Amino acid sequence: DQQVKQNSPSLSVQEGRISILNCDYTNSMFDYFLWYKKYPAEGPTFLISISSIKDKNEDGRFTVFLNKSAKHLSLHIVPSQPGDSAVYFCAASISGTYKYIFGTGTRLKVLA
Amino acid sequence: EAQVTQNPRYLITVTGKKLTVTCSQNMNHEYMSWYRQDPGLGLRQIYYSMNVEVTDKGDVPEGYKVSRKEKRNFPLILESPSPNQTSLYFCASSLQAGLGDEQFFGPGTRLTVL
Repeated sequence: DQQVKQNSPSLSVQEGRISILNCDYTNSMFDYFLWYKKYPAEGPTFLISISSIKDKNEDGRFTVFLNKSAKHLSLHIVPSQPGDSAVYFCAASISGTYKYIFGTGTRLKVLA
Repeated sequence: EAQVTQNPRYLITVTGKKLTVTCSQNMNHEYMSWYRQDPGLGLRQIYYSMNVEVTDKGDVPEGYKVSRKEKRNFPLILESPSPNQTSLYFCASSLQAGLGDEQFFGPGTRLTVL
């Protein structure tokens, strides 16, 4: 039972345009959500997070939106750059627990 | 430099031969965790440790053991590896856990069990 789903295995976007990566979850108890970026032959690196008390969090070119009623979050990258080409994982956790559930990842390719 | 290190980075072994993958962090983090990454399955948590001497199972603990005798080290032990444990393994740490803290990941260990 996949509690965190990234239904798009891959996405291609032109440089300078917006990239939108989506993540759906099934467990309404999740109250922290994180996005990680992973380059080949490296470990994932943290990108941005959001708690369930917010519906939006911004950090430079990266914005995460949370829609609790739809159990859906999205990561927006504006403008997209070739260096953003990587695999993006969303992750969820429940406060007070120590488990993290990751999605299957979306491979983003930004075309120059 | 603040980092999580793993050794070895690559390992090919045979079924049943016990092995240990080491993980060390120099950030004085309380929380450490092990994940495996498999195609189509993303990252799945194997074990985690909230603090020294405190560990618990993640989603896929079968066939693995861990220990946390010191704050900085969190080795992953495969007592009798099997081919279905062929995977890419990541160790991670965070200052604390329970509030969605960001984790810092090691570079990964690619394990092949023949």
